[in-house]
Amino acid sequence: GAVVSQHPSWVICKSGTSVKIECRSLDFQATTMFWYRQFPKQSLMLMATSNEGSKATYEQGVEKDKFLINHASLTLSTLTVTSAHPEDSSFYICSASPPLFGRPSYEQYFGPGTRLTVT
Amino acid sequence: AQSVTQLDSQVPVFEEAPVELRCNYSSSVSVYLFWYVQYPNQGLQLLLKYLSGSTLVKGINGFEAEFNKSQTSFHLRKPSVHISDTAEYFCAVSEGGGSEKLVFGKGTKLTVNP
Repeated sequence: GAVVSQHPSWVICKSGTSVKIECRSLDFQATTMFWYRQFPKQSLMLMATSNEGSKATYEQGVEKDKFLINHASLTLSTLTVTSAHPEDSSFYICSASPPLFGRPSYEQYFGPGTRLTVT
Repeated sequence: AQSVTQLDSQVPVFEEAPVELRCNYSSSVSVYLFWYVQYPNQGLQLLLKYLSGSTLVKGINGFEAEFNKSQTSFHLRKPSVHISDTAEYFCAVSEGGGSEKLVFGKGTKLTVNP
């Protein structure tokens, strides 16, 4: 099946610094990728939809200047947490959906997630 | 706005027993429905999906789910569970129509005991 990878799997950074997380679709091209945030014992919350070659679409309440998303190619999307603070500590997950004959397949493949800890 | 309610946060069962994980949704439009499983330290994996057609959907690992429009439910079932089914299960909804955005429930932790 389709594989989505994330790097790094975990990262610790100091407050005020920026962290970049990569999401790659390894064996398919994805015009659209999704970024989620998962708090302990809670569900996944969609942060933004990443579109190749255009600006990301952010969900209500998500600061676009803080969570920078770049979908540089059909297999890579990056999430940069800028000026990170302890409240940004969380589990960040990306997903991608391979198209089916040029149409949405509605079958998202998820990366293994990135654990971010801001000290 | 869409929402998903998973009524049980934890479900403990014994091995080889049947299990049902409940999921209800609310939406003002037709929806697509999904169940995902998350094993420890792994990413989410699609178990099954309902887009249209038969309301009984069969997925991987012996799981199935039934879409009930009148009750706005999409409960997940397995007739006989294994220890290896221990995981977190998430129900999700999408409004479709070209949008693949998912709204997830809070998840149900299934623990299968020997």
